[in-house]
Parts: sequence; C-alpha cells; structure tokens
Amino acid sequence: NAGVMQNPRHLVRRRGQEARLRCSPMKGHSHVYWYRQLPEEGLKFMVYLQKENIIDESGMPKERFSAEFPKEGPSILRIQQVVRGDSAAYFCASSPLPPAGGGDTQYFGPGTRLTVL
Amino acid sequence: DAKTTQPTSMDCAEGRAANLPCNHSTISGNEYVYWYRQIHSQGPQYIIHGLKNNETNEMASLIITEDRKSSTLILPHATLRDTAVYYCILAYNAGNMLTFGGGTRLMVKP
Repeated sequence: NAGVMQNPRHLVRRRGQEARLRCSPMKGHSHVYWYRQLPEEGLKFMVYLQKENIIDESGMPKERFSAEFPKEGPSILRIQQVVRGDSAAYFCASSPLPPAGGGDTQYFGPGTRLTVL
Repeated sequence: DAKTTQPTSMDCAEGRAANLPCNHSTISGNEYVYWYRQIHSQGPQYIIHGLKNNETNEMASLIITEDRKSSTLILPHATLRDTAVYYCILAYNAGNMLTFGGGTRLMVKP
C-alpha cells in the first residue's frame, strides 16, 4: 500500500510565476490536509479537504493560494504570483474518514520544497 | 498556538531509553495526545497516540498521567536513526488540523 505521494519533490519558480503542488492520498483515504513549514519552524496547517469540498481553510492566506481535491485525481495546492516568502516545504497528509474518537491518524507525504527566486 | 510544552532539546545515548516529556495542562476531556516525529525535513511520521491509558506499539510507549496534564514518550532502545524533532500534539480526532509547536530535538549519540 503506497503512502501519501507528493510531486514534484522540488520546485523552483521565479517571482510572479505560478506553483502547482500535487498530492495523492493513501489508497482508501478521502481526507487531505495541507501544511506549510517555513525554514527552522514547525508545520502550520493550511487547509483540509474532502473530495470536491473544502472543509476548513482557516490557515490559508486570503490571496494567491487555493486548493482543490477533485472527484478524480490528486489534490492540488496552487500558489499564484509567487513571492520569495512563499519559499517553504509544503506537506500533504491524508486520513480515512475521521472516526468519532481518535482511532486513526494523519499520514504525511515527503513534501514539496518550493524555492522562489 | 500549540497547547503543549516540550523541552527544546535532549540528548540520549545510543541503546538507552529516551524519555520525552510533554506538558498539556489545559487538555480537554476528549482530546487525544498524538506524537509525531520529523527526521531531517522529511514528512512527519506518526508514532503513537492515546487518550487516558498508557499505550505501546512497535515504535514506542506513551505514558499519560492520571490527571492527563502531562505525558511521556518512551523510545525503549534509542538508535542513531531516532535522531529527530519530536512533536506532542493534542487533537480531538484524526480529522482535526494538527497544531505543531516547537517540538523536542532529540539527538541520539553513539
């Protein structure tokens, strides 16, 4: 059973370009979470999606950032008009249907390292 | 803001038990204690979680105090590959967003 897959693993963009980060959850998982980790900091939650729905986007910057998880295909985190401050590691996690209790957990992918020149 | 407090760093000799403490004095009655670790900028790796009772799996043991205000993660025989940042996190279930604090940087030394 393959784990959470993210691609690309490394992405270099110039200021003003668009960045698209993809995440394929573990088989059987229908919930996806995106986190961002700035250098020397802990992970910060960005957005939580189910298939075709955004459940919680409280951690997403209001501008330039968007996320989707279509019925078919991977989840996409899109950053428009990137700036140097967007340089970070972006991690995706997935979980099965969240149980009523803490019976399961989120499994993380290897991350995409975005560098904005 | 993270609701847990952990020491910034710890050292442990290879082969010895590593005991990583976590304070969570404001934990709610139905919040679980989750532990993750991050090895050198890889994706966080789930270790263990618990509610009230002590838990053990193939990676570690989790000891939660009776008042649930603190817990300890125990790696019984630390190896060099256990060098990582360890995060103690509170969450109501796996569907919640996880709030990562600073964690404890564990250095296992030969």
